[in-house]
Amino acid sequence: NAGVMQNPRHLVRRRGQEARLRCSPVKGHSHVYWYRQLPEEGLKFMVYLQKENIIDESGMPKERFSAEFPKEGPSILRIQQVVRGDSAAYFCASSPGTGANTGELFFGEGSRLTVL
Amino acid sequence: GDSVTQMEGPVTLSEEAFLTINCTYTATGYPSLFWYVQYPGEGLQLLLKATKADDKGSNKGFEATYRKETTSFHLEKGSVQVSDSAVYFCALSARNTPLVFGKGTRLSVIA
Repeated sequence: NAGVMQNPRHLVRRRGQEARLRCSPVKGHSHVYWYRQLPEEGLKFMVYLQKENIIDESGMPKERFSAEFPKEGPSILRIQQVVRGDSAAYFCASSPGTGANTGELFFGEGSRLTVL
Repeated sequence: GDSVTQMEGPVTLSEEAFLTINCTYTATGYPSLFWYVQYPGEGLQLLLKATKADDKGSNKGFEATYRKETTSFHLEKGSVQVSDSAVYFCALSARNTPLVFGKGTRLSVIA
């Protein structure tokens, strides 16, 4: 499967715990995006990364949330001290590098976080 | 900033009915426009796209035409099937910025 791979698909955490969501982009894609989908709402952009760089984090909450895309390995979205309002589906998407980027994004199947 | 407005759902249609889901946008310059579809429990899949004015995107019987004069990209299908039941998202991409999505329109097709 050469598509975007996200894991875990489902994650349950208690308030105050940490959640780590992983995303492996399409092979050869160097841009990764994270979106959050709250129940019955659209997708909200969170952060845009290239290898080892955060390009745009304008949609990311200032506290408790962080993202990385290391030189080796998957992109990680980390949520510290989770609260019930963090319950959502988190989608990762990837695209080719600039120049081959038509704006189309390739999405993973999402990680559904439930905070008890 | 850039934004997308699409008709609110849910939309319920009988099989073989005609479908229109309205989408209008606000953007600086000339964005690319997209329709994505999300089936239950799955991620988003690109349905069709158009990159310049008057382009028509089409796929699986769905069509949408990029109308610059009305800043619209309405999705249409002549005869829907039960398998088309899903949530449909209109989106735009401008100036190499991340995709901006509308809130989505849930379509239910009944036999």
